[in-house]
Amino acid sequence: EIVLTQSPATLSLSPGERASLSCRASQTVSSNFLAWYQQKPGQAPRLLIYGAFNRATGIPDRFSGSGSGTDFTLTITRLDPDDFAVYYCQLYGTSPMYTFGQGTKLEIK
Amino acid sequence: EVRLVESGGVVVQPGGSLRLSCAASGFTFDDYTMHWVRQPPGKGLEWVSLITWDGGTTHYPDSVRGRFTISRDNSKNSLYLQMNSLTTEDTAFYYCAKGTADPLYFDYWGQGTLVTVSS
Repeated sequence: EIVLTQSPATLSLSPGERASLSCRASQTVSSNFLAWYQQKPGQAPRLLIYGAFNRATGIPDRFSGSGSGTDFTLTITRLDPDDFAVYYCQLYGTSPMYTFGQGTKLEIK
Repeated sequence: EVRLVESGGVVVQPGGSLRLSCAASGFTFDDYTMHWVRQPPGKGLEWVSLITWDGGTTHYPDSVRGRFTISRDNSKNSLYLQMNSLTTEDTAFYYCAKGTADPLYFDYWGQGTLVTVSS
């Protein structure tokens, strides 16, 4: 079973700054199967990025995804106050199986 | 507008059973794979089950296989999760989620319903 490890656990930044969130897989995976979600307190997760690079419908272009192999990154340029939330990466695997990372909390510094 | 509304979450004793429901609207329900995903309060996300568009195929992770059963009624645009032999480890918010067309991801989620397993 592939394990996804997100880092850091908590990231403290100020509005206007750039955020880089990491998701590392325990073995090489296809970028086609990697997604990122945003979850705000008391809300359901929202799909941000799919296929490692593609923004979901309605997602601002300050959100971007990159990476390949075992290392993937979610980058948020020019942080907006609305962006402070918990972010999860997710992988589709064979069987099928859907695996989430443990999350990165992006908090206001 | 896609809408998913879960219901059925309550407090139940260990060893008990519970059935969750999800009412879907705003899309052609019987075109898509549907999922349940859960989240213990204050913790991360765990995929719990999927069912294909026609109900013909279901899948579960080891943590719930044999105890949980996912089903759907396309005539009612509804998704269900029957949960048996519940333990305190099953305490969580349970989300109904729509699969993408692939179906590799979850593109719409309900607001969740809380299941608490406690004596």
